Amino acid sequence: RKEVEQDPGPFNVPEGATVAFNCTYSNSASQSFFWYRQDCRKEPKLLMSVYSSGNEDGRFTAQLNRASQYISLLIRDSKLSDSATYLCVVTSYGGSQGNLIFGKGTKLSVKP
Amino acid sequence: NAGVMQNPRHLVRRRGQEARLRCSPMKGHSHVYWYRQLPEEGLKFMVYLQKENIIDESGMPKERFSAEFPKEGPSILRIQQVVRGDSAAYFCASSGGGGQPQHFGDGTRLSIL
Repeated sequence: RKEVEQDPGPFNVPEGATVAFNCTYSNSASQSFFWYRQDCRKEPKLLMSVYSSGNEDGRFTAQLNRASQYISLLIRDSKLSDSATYLCVVTSYGGSQGNLIFGKGTKLSVKP
Repeated sequence: NAGVMQNPRHLVRRRGQEARLRCSPMKGHSHVYWYRQLPEEGLKFMVYLQKENIIDESGMPKERFSAEFPKEGPSILRIQQVVRGDSAAYFCASSGGGGQPQHFGDGTRLSIL
């Protein structure tokens, strides 16, 4: 089983759509969780941390279910500028300072 | 620019040469991480360093690759006797530790002729 698995994608959606990404992780000791986005041939950029209680940042909502080892990202009212690859990321071991384990990413393409 | 600085942005080497990639962490950050991204692949962890110490090098190939983060100056990822398979984007990230997120530099794109 891969350490971090994501929806394979690609997701092609019209502007204004709501889209959800799912992710599962294998290491139950992981303590820190993030969503990053990566534009083509660019560096990953932190989108948001993910907390157990769930958290929201504008149009973006992240959820974490530790029991199921499942993370999700919901994007409402999609914009053209949301087109990117979304990376689910967890720390490698129990310590919060661990290196990051990246999923392969889900590509999102928002069309006019 | 207070962000993570990597140089060079692009590096071309012939097989058998050495490649040196540099990374200056964000101001105030003492934790540095190196990742490699092959074409059409996800990022893979290579090594985690703090000043003068290698904390975790479990992702480093056993041969030809080394990394350092000296007391003064940038972190260096060194690849000796490069081969075609080393062609990739190499990203450096830094954090302040304590569970803080990592912030990435623009990356160095290494091409081996």
